[in-house]
Amino acid sequence: TQLLEQSPQFLSIQEGENLTVYCNSSSVFSSLQWYRQEPGEGPVLLVTVVTGGEVKKLKRLTFQFGDARKDSSLHITAAQPGDTGLYLCAAHNTDKLIFGTGTRLQVFP
Amino acid sequence: NAGVTQTPKFRILKIGQSMTLQCTQDMNHNYMYWYRQDPGMGLKLIYYSVGAGITDKGEVPNGYNVSRSTTEDFPLRLELAAPSQTSVYFCASSPQWAGQPQHFGDGTRLSIL
Repeated sequence: TQLLEQSPQFLSIQEGENLTVYCNSSSVFSSLQWYRQEPGEGPVLLVTVVTGGEVKKLKRLTFQFGDARKDSSLHITAAQPGDTGLYLCAAHNTDKLIFGTGTRLQVFP
Repeated sequence: NAGVTQTPKFRILKIGQSMTLQCTQDMNHNYMYWYRQDPGMGLKLIYYSVGAGITDKGEVPNGYNVSRSTTEDFPLRLELAAPSQTSVYFCASSPQWAGQPQHFGDGTRLSIL
């Protein structure tokens, strides 16, 4: 079974701080997605990265796919309370997505 | 603008009871998936389907069954509910293959007592 390990598992920070979440695997993937999930709702796609070394930006969020396509990171600049949620990475594997273990982020005002 | 619709939103079952979780999508997506999410955890794939009439097992299929008679509907059946099946269940769909964005329903919160 391919595993996607996310770190840290929990993160609690003050508004305005920066943070980075990591998603690691021993396997190579053709693409990787990042989702955010708020309480009581399903996950919502933030971004898909496909090319090794690719960097994508979504406002204050920066996503990077590792050169070897085995890992990815999500960096948030100047976090806001609205960034609070569960962040999930997911890697494409034939007909399925394999989801990571998740990082629960709480941003206090 | 419905997307993926799951019913019911909440349910409490007694051990040994059976029930069907409903999932329907109006986006004409070929691929559909069922996941379970335990408290504070990521999602584990139960079953998936790449088109009407085709289903396959995911990571944790034991205790569940699915069918896909139409493109729109992908119900999940629990035959003999067990406390270990207490979880939040999410249905999702994607247009062609898993690498494309998956669209999720809002989930069914199921408790087995």
